[in-house]
Amino acid sequence: DTGVSQDPRHKITKRGQNVTFRCDPISEHNRLYWYRQTLGQGPEFLTYFQNEAQLEKSRLLSDRFSAERPKGSFSTLEIQRTEQGDSAMYLCASSAGTSGVRDEQFFGPGTRLTVL
Amino acid sequence: GIQVEQSPPDLILQEGANSTLRCNFSDSVNNLQWFHQNPWGQLINLFYIPSGTKQNGRLSATTVATERYSLLYISSSQTTDSGVYFCAVGGSGTYKYIFGTGTRLKVLA
Repeated sequence: DTGVSQDPRHKITKRGQNVTFRCDPISEHNRLYWYRQTLGQGPEFLTYFQNEAQLEKSRLLSDRFSAERPKGSFSTLEIQRTEQGDSAMYLCASSAGTSGVRDEQFFGPGTRLTVL
Repeated sequence: GIQVEQSPPDLILQEGANSTLRCNFSDSVNNLQWFHQNPWGQLINLFYIPSGTKQNGRLSATTVATERYSLLYISSSQTTDSGVYFCAVGGSGTYKYIFGTGTRLKVLA
């Protein structure tokens, strides 16, 4: 399978704990995106990387959230001191990033986070 | 920022019926995709269609960029078409997508 992969698929944690999610993009895709989706809503943009550079962050990404893509390949999203409001599906997407402004995104299966 | 509105919000069809889903957006876009979200949450790419018309089997899509809308057509619907359909758009100066609130489709056997 050469699609976007995410790990873990499910995470249950207690309020106040730290969690880290991993995303492996499609091979050779330059751009990597993180989105968050709560029940009944469409996904909301969190941040994106062009290679290893984090180029845009949403105001949704509070100080407790940090994302990295150290070698321009996989990415991690860490949430510190989790709160019940962080419960959501966290989606990762990647795109080739080689066709100018045109940019088709491909999504992974998501990590479903439940904060108790 | 760009606003994205999808209609109808909910749709119930009998198997074999046809349907049209609409996506309106408030500003010019460089990117537009239609997705189907399955019950497990996976977003499946249907069309990348910032302009023009495309067809893939029973599905087709049309985007009229100058009038700021896109349509997704589903013909001869099947129960496996059930799920949530999202339109997502990307504006100028950014690659992030703004998603609509989706159309929840249920196809009855």
